[in-house]
Amino acid sequence: GENVEQHPSTLSVQEGDSAVIKCTYSDSASNYFPWYKQELGKRPQLIIDIRSNVGEKKDQRIAVTLNKTAKHFSLHITETQPEDSAVYFCAARALGLLVGSNYKLTFGKGTLLTVNP
Amino acid sequence: GAVVSQHPSRVICKSGTSVKIECRSLDFQATTMFWYRQFPKQSLMLMATSNEGSKATYEQGVEKDKFLINHASLTLSTLTVTSAHPEDSSFYICSARFGLAGDTGELFFGEGSRLTVL
Repeated sequence: GENVEQHPSTLSVQEGDSAVIKCTYSDSASNYFPWYKQELGKRPQLIIDIRSNVGEKKDQRIAVTLNKTAKHFSLHITETQPEDSAVYFCAARALGLLVGSNYKLTFGKGTLLTVNP
Repeated sequence: GAVVSQHPSRVICKSGTSVKIECRSLDFQATTMFWYRQFPKQSLMLMATSNEGSKATYEQGVEKDKFLINHASLTLSTLTVTSAHPEDSSFYICSARFGLAGDTGELFFGEGSRLTVL
């Protein structure tokens, strides 16, 4: 099955700095890579995702890059703000057209991001 | 956007009792729902995949007789923790994906249910 490794486990930055979180995956069949932000006691919220047919995607201060050959993808947050503080999870899964039970989302262990004012 | 509602958000029960958690997709049909468990400061661990009208598929190490999953309709899946013990205390989260054909990729998560077993 899929194995997703995420680094670092904790990350502390100053407000305004950039933050980068990196993930690797093992299953070459994975073709969908979402990133979730989870605040304490809350549900994970999708912040950005990327499919394997593109190498980079941006949404305002957030960007994700994907290197299929190396099987790694990264989250980049620029101009960080205190409200960006949360746990961030990367994930990987294979998309398909068939209804079934084998489209599981495998999560990384998470990165606790702290943005200091 | 799509909404997944989970109930109850918090439940405290005595050891040995059973607890049911509901997961509903409010504005879309979800052929597949997923149940996760999350311990403090840890990642989401998939427990089982619930498909409407069929038996759930459990991950390795998850006891199907202890964690009963029922997906009786396209908008409702339930997780019942039977004979709960303190070690079952955790944050349980469901998620759902859009239904019948194709796969948009995105999963929508419920609010989560914090179970505390005394």
